[in-house]
Amino acid sequence: GAVVSQHPSWVICKSGTSVKIECRSLDFQATTMFWYRQFPKQSLMLMATSNEGSKATYEQGVEKDKFLINHASLTLSTLTVTSAHPEDSSFYICSARDVWVPNTEAFFGQGTRLTVV
Amino acid sequence: AQTVTQSQPEMSVQEAETVTLSCTYDTSESDYYLFWYKQPPSRQMILVIRQEAYKQQNATENRFSVNFQKAAKSFSLKISDSQLGDAAMYFCAYRSGSSGNTPLVFGKGTRLSVIA
Repeated sequence: GAVVSQHPSWVICKSGTSVKIECRSLDFQATTMFWYRQFPKQSLMLMATSNEGSKATYEQGVEKDKFLINHASLTLSTLTVTSAHPEDSSFYICSARDVWVPNTEAFFGQGTRLTVV
Repeated sequence: AQTVTQSQPEMSVQEAETVTLSCTYDTSESDYYLFWYKQPPSRQMILVIRQEAYKQQNATENRFSVNFQKAAKSFSLKISDSQLGDAAMYFCAYRSGSSGNTPLVFGKGTRLSVIA
């Protein structure tokens, strides 16, 4: 089956620094990628949707200047948390889908646990 | 906007028994998809079962089956012959069928414990 690889699986960074999270589709074209955030014991909340070659569409309340999303190729999207603060500590999950292949769904990456100290 | 409601924060079941997880949703659309995802302690999201709204027949995947009641906007998951490996968070999710790049909308989840 299709595989989405997310890296790193966990990261600890100092407050004020930036962290980049990568999401790669290994055997299909990820025309659309979704970035979610999950707090402990809570559900997945959509942060943004990105289509390859276009600017990401952010959900209400998500700061686009803080959570920079790049989707420049059909196999890679990145989420950069800029000037991270402890409140940004969370579990971030990407999912990718090839919207041109009918009857398929998005596949999820393994997630990234971000801890800001 | 579409919403998904899971009214059972926690459920438990004895090994080999059957358990049903509830899910209701709200939408004004006629074309959509419904899903159940499993999230084990590893936190990897695993697709359990998928239902197209236009299909009247309930989806089944081995020990997992759904009861899709479109008029009632209900989509429950039945797990038969429960196994220890079924213990996880289960999320009900909705996706609009209006276009290919619509995201999933998740419920708050149900934590399932399986008792040996």
